[in-house]
Amino acid sequence: DAGVTQSPTHLIKTRGQQVTLRCSPISGHKSVSWYQQVLGQGPQFIFQYYEKEERGRGNFPDRFSARQFPNYSSELNVNALLLGDSALYLCASSLEGPFFDQPQHFGDGTRLSIL
Amino acid sequence: GQSLEQPSEVTAVEGAIVQINCTYQTSGFYGLSWYQQHDGGAPTFLSYNALDGLEETGRFSSFLSRSDSYGYLLLQELQMKDSASYFCAVHGGYQKVTFGTGTKLQVIP
Repeated sequence: DAGVTQSPTHLIKTRGQQVTLRCSPISGHKSVSWYQQVLGQGPQFIFQYYEKEERGRGNFPDRFSARQFPNYSSELNVNALLLGDSALYLCASSLEGPFFDQPQHFGDGTRLSIL
Repeated sequence: GQSLEQPSEVTAVEGAIVQINCTYQTSGFYGLSWYQQHDGGAPTFLSYNALDGLEETGRFSSFLSRSDSYGYLLLQELQMKDSASYFCAVHGGYQKVTFGTGTKLQVIP
């Protein structure tokens, strides 16, 4: 079975641009969460979607938005990119919400570099 | 808010046992998870504790004390491939998952 897949794997943008990152969860998983990981730090929670609705949001500005589609795949959008947005963006899926006794399965991430 | 503390680095000898501690402060608590992440890789789920006590999965065990806001990950029979970063993560209120800053484990021969 395929794991969590994310695209693209690498992306280079300039300040002020917009970016869309994509995630396909493991088949049967209904919950998708997005994280930002800066080098040397732990993943920082951005959003959680469950059954196509936003169920949790971390401390990120409104430039960050996301959505989940009927097939449970998800997109993360970031507008007006800043140099500080350079990071590894991770998507994780789980059967239900992350705080039930369900492990999160992470994709390999999208490495976003802002010039 | 939520905050977690874990040691930044730990070094241990191959075949030995190592314990990685995690203390947390959180508003709302559902459970504590542990993840392993090799350099350049994605985090991999190791364990989840919702109740006090010890959970054992092969060479890895995880412990939780909710009254002490404390948990640890125990790795036995260390192997070189266990060299990685280990993160504790709190499942807290408002459906947030907060990760610690990670413990870099180096296993030496």
